[in-house]
Amino acid sequence: TQLLEQSPQFLSIQEGENLTVYCNSSSVFSSLQWYRQEPGEGPVLLVTVVTGGEVKKLKRLTFQFGDARKDSSLHITAAQPGDTGLYLCAGGVRGGADGLTFGKGTHLIIQP
Amino acid sequence: EPEVTQTPSHQVTQMGQEVILRCVPISNHLYFYWYRQILGQKVEFLVSFYNNEISEKSEIFDDQFSVERPDGSNFTLKIRSTKLEDSAMYFCASSETVWQETQYFGPGTRLLVL
Repeated sequence: TQLLEQSPQFLSIQEGENLTVYCNSSSVFSSLQWYRQEPGEGPVLLVTVVTGGEVKKLKRLTFQFGDARKDSSLHITAAQPGDTGLYLCAGGVRGGADGLTFGKGTHLIIQP
Repeated sequence: EPEVTQTPSHQVTQMGQEVILRCVPISNHLYFYWYRQILGQKVEFLVSFYNNEISEKSEIFDDQFSVERPDGSNFTLKIRSTKLEDSAMYFCASSETVWQETQYFGPGTRLLVL
């Protein structure tokens, strides 16, 4: 059974600070996807990383896939209140038939 | 921008009743999925569907569940005899090809079984 552990589970910081959240597994994934989910809504895709060591940037968000494709991180620079939300990582296995394995998420609160 | 849509947004049913949850995947996508999320828990895979048949299913997807693509646009999840523990958000997702692992999710149907 593949598991994805996300840490921290909860994070509350002040506006303007930087933060990093982590997604770790003992299993190898062929892709790692990051989603953001608002209460009562579906996960919204932020990014997909597929190559070990890959780094992708989305404005103030930087995503990295570990070299061994077992872990990933999301770094937010100069966090803003609009970044508040639940961030989910989800691992996929090449072939697409299997569903994504989701982590429990990091609840992020950015205080003004 | 194309998106996955789901209906209804909310459904309340009595235990033992049948429910059908509907999804319209992104039009050029070939792989379709159902997931569920019990309140406060993580998103869990139920089933994947490709070329008009189930590709994979999880342990959760037992005999009371079924999926169907009744026409060229809709993808449905049927729960034959609902139980209290089926109360959850149900998400449909789709991906472009069998090798395209990026999945796009719909807004979900909140199912409450009383």
